[in-house]
Amino acid sequence: GAVVSQHPSRVICKSGTSVKIECRSLDFQATTMFWYRQFPKQSLMLMATSNEGSKATYEQGVEKDKFLINHASLTLSTLTVTSAHPEDSSFYICSARGLAGLPSTDTQYFGPGTRLTVL
Amino acid sequence: LAKTTQPISMDSYEGQEVNITCSHNNIATNDYITWYQQFPSQGPRFIIQGYKTKVTNEVASLFIPADRKSSTLSLPRVSLSDTAVYYCLVGDEGAAGNKLTFGGGTRVLVKP
Repeated sequence: GAVVSQHPSRVICKSGTSVKIECRSLDFQATTMFWYRQFPKQSLMLMATSNEGSKATYEQGVEKDKFLINHASLTLSTLTVTSAHPEDSSFYICSARGLAGLPSTDTQYFGPGTRLTVL
Repeated sequence: LAKTTQPISMDSYEGQEVNITCSHNNIATNDYITWYQQFPSQGPRFIIQGYKTKVTNEVASLFIPADRKSSTLSLPRVSLSDTAVYYCLVGDEGAAGNKLTFGGGTRVLVKP
């Protein structure tokens, strides 16, 4: 139980294009989903928190117009990197936290990550 | 959010027990302690979570003293595949919208 998937696992795009990354909770409903970014040899940095049906809350320094987050249902959140540039190349990871008891609300479960390379 | 401090790295050998201690001096009453494992180019994997005393599962044990200002993750009889980065996190995840803040983690290298 508590499986989170991401798609695609790897994407290469040209500078200036937009890329959409999907995050799905496969066997539970996620009231809250989180998006992180991780650069090589560094820790995870939280980008934003999204709750189903409401606007995402972005961390300081994260451009909300560049990183569009949509949490359309209790099992799906998407992150769109708009007008991507080489400096946006990174490992993007989502996580999901479930409804009470399914599974524990005290735990976040992480997706496998998406490697974005912008040429 | 309570800040955590862990050793940057640890080396061990196959079959040994590895203990990683995390300091969280300003942990709040409602905070839980959660440990994750991360392999390169993968998302973090939940290992164990606790509030006080000792918690054990099929993978690890978590020891939390009475003052809860630190915690120790214990990995019994490690193998080469346990080489990874281990993160200690503290937070009240039960609170709506509460978030996790990742520290630097501990890079564990298991040698043959």
